[in-house]
Amino acid sequence: AQSVTQPDIHITVSEGASLELRCNYSYGATPYLFWYVQSPGQGLQLLLKYFSGDTLVQGIKGFEAEFKRSQSSFNLRKPSVHWSDAAEYFCAVGTNDYKLSFGAGTTVTVRA
Amino acid sequence: SQTIHQWPATLVQPVGSPLSLECTVEGTSNPNLYWYRQAAGRGLQLLFYSVGIGQISSEVPQNLSASRPQDRQFILSSKKLLLSDSGFYLCAWSVLAGEKLFFGSGTQLSVL
Repeated sequence: AQSVTQPDIHITVSEGASLELRCNYSYGATPYLFWYVQSPGQGLQLLLKYFSGDTLVQGIKGFEAEFKRSQSSFNLRKPSVHWSDAAEYFCAVGTNDYKLSFGAGTTVTVRA
Repeated sequence: SQTIHQWPATLVQPVGSPLSLECTVEGTSNPNLYWYRQAAGRGLQLLFYSVGIGQISSEVPQNLSASRPQDRQFILSSKKLLLSDSGFYLCAWSVLAGEKLFFGSGTQLSVL
């Protein structure tokens, strides 16, 4: 069975600084990989996804993620964080058996 | 375009009372449907998924059940709620197995 690990429970970053959220997965084949964001009081929104091809994926809101097969990782990055990026971020791995497994989430706090 | 409706948005129920949360999808046919729960401090846990009418797969043993009486309707139920059933419940759908999910707005359930 697949699993997802997000090692960082909480990250605090200054506005304008760069952000990197870590995600490691366990799955026997090449998975579908996703990053979702949940802003306070709102539902989950898809930031970006990787299915195949270019391992550097661009998403919405200036986010990008890089799939590294050798490290079983799919880390999310943003060069310059805005206060509106404060949210909870979930990494997820999908397989071809209908299930999408989520990590425990990383809460991002942005300080002025 | 496709939309997903989930209600109610919030619910406070006493221990031992029944539960019924409803989710409907519009604008698509034969979607894969899912119920997730997000407990405080934990990630999203897949509870049930359905690939067709009357077809329900349970991921974890629990006090809850799910039903799919119509193609685009997914219901989460319980005969007797437990304190541990408190959490944020999300309905979701996808076109293909393992691929990106579209989430409802969620139901915050508090069992007292």
